[in-house]
Amino acid sequence: NAGVTQTPKFQVLKTGQSMTLQCAQDMNHEYMSWYRQDPGMGLRLIHYSVGAGITDQGEVPNGYNVSRSTTEDFPLRLLSAAPSQTSVYFCASSGTAGSGGYTFGSGTRLTVV
Amino acid sequence: GNSVTQMEGPVTLSEEAFLTINCTYTATGYPSLFWYVQYPGEGLQLLLKATKADDKGSNKGFEATYRKETTSFHLEKGSVQVSDSAVYFCALREMDSSYKLIFGSGTRLLVRP
Repeated sequence: NAGVTQTPKFQVLKTGQSMTLQCAQDMNHEYMSWYRQDPGMGLRLIHYSVGAGITDQGEVPNGYNVSRSTTEDFPLRLLSAAPSQTSVYFCASSGTAGSGGYTFGSGTRLTVV
Repeated sequence: GNSVTQMEGPVTLSEEAFLTINCTYTATGYPSLFWYVQYPGEGLQLLLKATKADDKGSNKGFEATYRKETTSFHLEKGSVQVSDSAVYFCALREMDSSYKLIFGSGTRLLVRP
């Protein structure tokens, strides 16, 4: 049981480049989210999805796009990377509404130079 | 909107000391509450949860009680170990259709031998 798989684990980008962070879960979970983690700021929600074909913005969506064409996959796209997007990115999923917790991936450490 | 506030760290303790990490929340209704733990270089793991008032979540010697009167969910452990050194996050799950997870800023715990 792989859980939530994020790729790549590390990435260095130049300012202005674009890339996609991949997230896949094999638990048939409806709810998926992307967070970024910065020192002293906890985890901030970027985008989330409540099911295939449905996405919405979180707290810090600017500069990022998402899509949810399948239940399993929830990729995060950086349109034009900026140094302010240097962060650790976590994907998470949950199969239940309300009382259930989320399962997290191991993260992608992104550096934009 | 809903929010979670945690005590600032770092918290430094000697092995076998008593641990309390304070967490309070602001929310409409009665959301489910969670504690997550992040060990160095890893993703977040669900430590414990409580889904209604007066519930006590427990795991690995850690406990937290859902107190609606004080809107609190403080994390406690009677005797910490060096291996408990990590960052601890308090979180609530939204009760609207998004079922998003909202995090506090995290509290770093360092346990010295």
